Amino acid sequence: DSGVTQTPKHLITATGQRVTLRCSPRSGDLSVYWYQQSLDQGLQFLIQYYNGEERAKGNILERFSAQQFPDLHSELNLSSLELGDSALYFCASTSSGGASDTQYFGPGTRLTVL
Amino acid sequence: GQNIDQPTEMTATEGAIVQINCTYQTSGFNGLFWYQQHAGEAPTFLSYNVLDGLEEKGRFSSFLSRSKGYSYLLLKELQMKDSASYLCAVEDYGQNFVFGPGTRLSVLP
Repeated sequence: DSGVTQTPKHLITATGQRVTLRCSPRSGDLSVYWYQQSLDQGLQFLIQYYNGEERAKGNILERFSAQQFPDLHSELNLSSLELGDSALYFCASTSSGGASDTQYFGPGTRLTVL
Repeated sequence: GQNIDQPTEMTATEGAIVQINCTYQTSGFNGLFWYQQHAGEAPTFLSYNVLDGLEEKGRFSSFLSRSKGYSYLLLKELQMKDSASYLCAVEDYGQNFVFGPGTRLSVLP
């Protein structure tokens, strides 16, 4: 158990819908990362937050957005869902968000878009 | 462009040594990471290299050559539980993480 929690574990929805994925970092960690892992594209970095502020942006679509709240939990919002958005979504947390920090991954949310 | 290459699959025998290679071309380099991922589970951190050379951590070692854009992960005394995918990732200057496709390692008895 990494100490990072993600909810829900599974999510099934329809195309065009909007969903919110939630992540709580390890106690004391200030930085949260979001990743998407699909069968055909592997693991893709989406976005990083540090202490409530966006720090780095990867391959995140405009239909997706994220934020980190004052209690440091983070939410990833996915809208106008398409079939291709079906994937495992992981969040990871680190203490300071520095390059050398170990990232601790949550168990993931499996999103299925029908 | 950003590109990381790894072999797709490898097979090795229990007790043996295996080397998983990773080559990368990225817009900048802030460090290279190796992760282990068992099927259906989250990745777990194995190692981080930012300077050239070998980093050893128990049965796992990771090597980096920045001039060659090359790294390898060395696994010694292979155990059945080492059967997993191994992901190579580079953090570029934009603090963007670029992951390779992963190498699926099968350890046979």
